Amino acid sequence: ELKVEQNPLFLSMQEGKNYTIYCNYSTTSDRLYWYRQDPGKSLESLFVLLSNGAVKQEGRLMASLDTKARLSTLHITAAVHDLSATYFCAVDMRGSQGNLIFGKGTKLSVKP
Amino acid sequence: ETGVTQTPRHLVMGMTNKKSLKCEQHLGHNAMYWYKQSAKKPLELMFVYNFKEQTENNSVPSRFSPECPNSSHLFLHLHTLQPEDSALYLCASSQVAGGLSYEQYFGPGTRLTVT
Repeated sequence: ELKVEQNPLFLSMQEGKNYTIYCNYSTTSDRLYWYRQDPGKSLESLFVLLSNGAVKQEGRLMASLDTKARLSTLHITAAVHDLSATYFCAVDMRGSQGNLIFGKGTKLSVKP
Repeated sequence: ETGVTQTPRHLVMGMTNKKSLKCEQHLGHNAMYWYKQSAKKPLELMFVYNFKEQTENNSVPSRFSPECPNSSHLFLHLHTLQPEDSALYLCASSQVAGGLSYEQYFGPGTRLTVT
């Protein structure tokens, strides 16, 4: 059974600080996704990571994937309040044809 | 309309009611999904349809009945629900090829309250 674990589940940061969210998964996967969800809203796709060593950056967020360690990280640089949201990683189990397994999400709160 | 749309956005229903949730995707995708998101559990995949055929049913109670008449439309028929079924129901779509799914695009969700 594929399990996806995120940590931390809650993260309170000060503006301007850096931090990393971790996503571990338990079995071989072909791709990993990061999504953002604002309160009361739907999920917005942030990154799709397709191969070992993949790194993608968008603004203050950078995601990476290590398929050998079965680990993805979402690094936040110089956090700003607008980044406050819940961040989910999801893993596409090989051969599952779209059956994504989501982590529990990391609720990020950036305080001035 | 663009992306993935869902109606209604909010729904309050009694335990004896029958209602339906509707999802429509305007992205030309061939797979559609229903998810349940509640405060107590992480995002749970309920049903998967590829090319209108149901390929996944993650042990969902029979009081939830999906219908996919074509690759652009997905319904979730609800009947005799329980209060614990109150949640945000999200629809998503993606393109599936060669056994792999590309990223899923989510609709805004239907906030369901069962009284």
